[in-house]
Amino acid sequence: GNSVTQMEGPVTLSEEAFLTINCTYTATGYPSLFWYVQYPGEGLQLLLKATKADDKGSNKGFEATYRKETTSFHLEKGSVQVSDSAVYFCALSENNAGNMLTFGGGTRLMVKP
Amino acid sequence: NAGVTQTPKFQVLKTGQSMTLQCAQDMNHEYMSWYRQDPGMGLRLIHYSVGAGITDQGEVPNGYNVSRSTTEDFPLRLLSAAPSQTSVYFCASARGAGNTIYFGEGSWLTVV
Repeated sequence: GNSVTQMEGPVTLSEEAFLTINCTYTATGYPSLFWYVQYPGEGLQLLLKATKADDKGSNKGFEATYRKETTSFHLEKGSVQVSDSAVYFCALSENNAGNMLTFGGGTRLMVKP
Repeated sequence: NAGVTQTPKFQVLKTGQSMTLQCAQDMNHEYMSWYRQDPGMGLRLIHYSVGAGITDQGEVPNGYNVSRSTTEDFPLRLLSAAPSQTSVYFCASARGAGNTIYFGEGSWLTVV
């Protein structure tokens, strides 16, 4: 079956530091990959996505590249802000499975001023 | 735009009680689903639907029922609540396969 593994948190960084959150996956087919963000007390919001190998998803300064050879989709940001403090979820979806998502366990990011 | 709307936002139940979590979307999406979120486990799929009249089980369906009589609504029923069902529940919808999935704001359920 499909699975997603992401680094455990919490990750604590100072403002303007570089962020990497690792994500690796196993899938039977050719999934689409996603990063979702959950701010305190809110639902999940799509942050970025990539639908095929070597695609780079980007949004709000965050980036992730779909690496089929290493089955990875690591999230990066060059300079984090306090407002980036949230829980980040890596997820995959195989389009022939009703578009359902398989999630990683989530990584809490805390950014200190 | 309302998007995906869930009610109630907070609920406390006693063991054995039944209740329904409501989910409605106004985007004419065919795909709808329910997830539960537990600490350290991400979100896990409970049930999903690919269109009105069609439902199927996800990863953790036991103790939950769903129906999809209209495109807009996808209620989740707890028949006899158990403490193990204490969780945060998210409803989601998408236009179809390969399309962006939109989530509601969540329903916090505590079973005592």
